[in-house]
Amino acid sequence: EPEVTQTPSHQVTQMGQEVILRCVPISNHLYFYWYRQILGQKVEFLVSFYNNEISEKSEIFDDQFSVERPDGSNFTLKIRSTKLEDSAMYFCASSTHPTGTEAFFGQGTRLTVV
Amino acid sequence: AQSVTQPDIHITVSEGASLELRCNYSYGATPYLFWYVQSPGQGLQLLLKYFSGDTLVQGIKGFEAEFKRSQSSFNLRKPSVHWSDAAEYFCAVGLYSGGGADGLTFGKGTHLIIQP
Repeated sequence: EPEVTQTPSHQVTQMGQEVILRCVPISNHLYFYWYRQILGQKVEFLVSFYNNEISEKSEIFDDQFSVERPDGSNFTLKIRSTKLEDSAMYFCASSTHPTGTEAFFGQGTRLTVV
Repeated sequence: AQSVTQPDIHITVSEGASLELRCNYSYGATPYLFWYVQSPGQGLQLLLKYFSGDTLVQGIKGFEAEFKRSQSSFNLRKPSVHWSDAAEYFCAVGLYSGGGADGLTFGKGTHLIIQP
């Protein structure tokens, strides 16, 4: 069964450092998403991406965040200068339909900022 | 803006007993509705979804959910739970603005505990 793959599964970084979280969406999917889940809280939408550009983004997705599809298979989330409050589980998802329906989620990357 | 409310933070059910997890949404029209399950250390797995049509939808693992427009609810049910159902359950709402790929809005989740 096709799946969304995220790497690394866990990343620890120092405050102020840049991090890149990587995702390989399902191959025939066209819409890509990043969500985050702060420990003990709900899953929150960050950004959606289609046709090589951002489609929608939430208030959380400020100038510190960027997304890219560098090579036609990977989908990355970059945090430019990490803060303690960026510590969370980050989920990548992909879908064939723009509503986010049938969105398939990866296993997540746990980011810890120290 | 749309919102999703899951009023029960924790629910404890005996193995073999029936289960109902509540979900209410706030939105002016009928959104797309989903239930996801998250086992410890795992990602989110789609249990079932409602787009239109029959208001009772069947999902994987023996789960079903009923959309009630008058109550703005989409409660998840299972007639007999198994110990492996212990997990976090999230109700989510999806929209389609016609312009972009709108993300899902999740509820805060209900933690299901199964006791022997």
